[in-house]
Amino acid sequence: EVQLVQSGAEVKKPGESLTISCKGSGYNFANNWISWVRQMPGKGLEWMGRIYPGDSDTTYSPSFQGHVTISADKSISTAYLQWDSLKASDTAVYYCARHSLDVWGQGTTVTVSS
Amino acid sequence: EIVLTQSPGTLSLSPGETATLSCRASQYISGGYIGWIQQKPGQAPRPLIYAASTRAAGIPDRFSGSASGTEFTLTISRLEPEDFAVYYCRQFGASPPCAFGQGTKLDIK
Repeated sequence: EVQLVQSGAEVKKPGESLTISCKGSGYNFANNWISWVRQMPGKGLEWMGRIYPGDSDTTYSPSFQGHVTISADKSISTAYLQWDSLKASDTAVYYCARHSLDVWGQGTTVTVSS
Repeated sequence: EIVLTQSPGTLSLSPGETATLSCRASQYISGGYIGWIQQKPGQAPRPLIYAASTRAAGIPDRFSGSASGTEFTLTISRLEPEDFAVYYCRQFGASPPCAFGQGTKLDIK
């Protein structure tokens, strides 16, 4: 079965760092782009960026460039989304998905609050 | 940059009726790069349609997609109670590599 399994919910304080993960299985993870998608409370889907795990080629949405870092470790079929300094406005559910959007992770809820 | 605009924002219908959801692209985009996604409250998005008109695995034939120029349409026939959800169109192409419409909420009337 092709699936993406994300890490669990996180509660953080403003200014803290965070990395969430997305592990693929059942397909050739290295040869498929992985996208990250944000959904703020009560809002729509926003594409953040994507990575090609095979060579770590990365593309960011201009809205997220410089605010997050996308990385991957093809040896363990895992992609990551990282923040160096969280803000309250980063509170959202974050989804990973194959770039074709045919397979989605279950989502990771990130809550940033003092 | 291609922008997708969905209409209506909310659609209120009864079970058994037919829903017609629209997605307009700000410039020409091949239908091969357009898809539709369903999302229910508290759930991850679920792919419905890709390449404008091809149903994803397991999607009933009540769901159909079509394309005409920069207009893309999702039609849901014989609405079932489980069809009431939010629907997003999405494109993946050159610039940006991926984008979503703002969504249409399909409500039970």
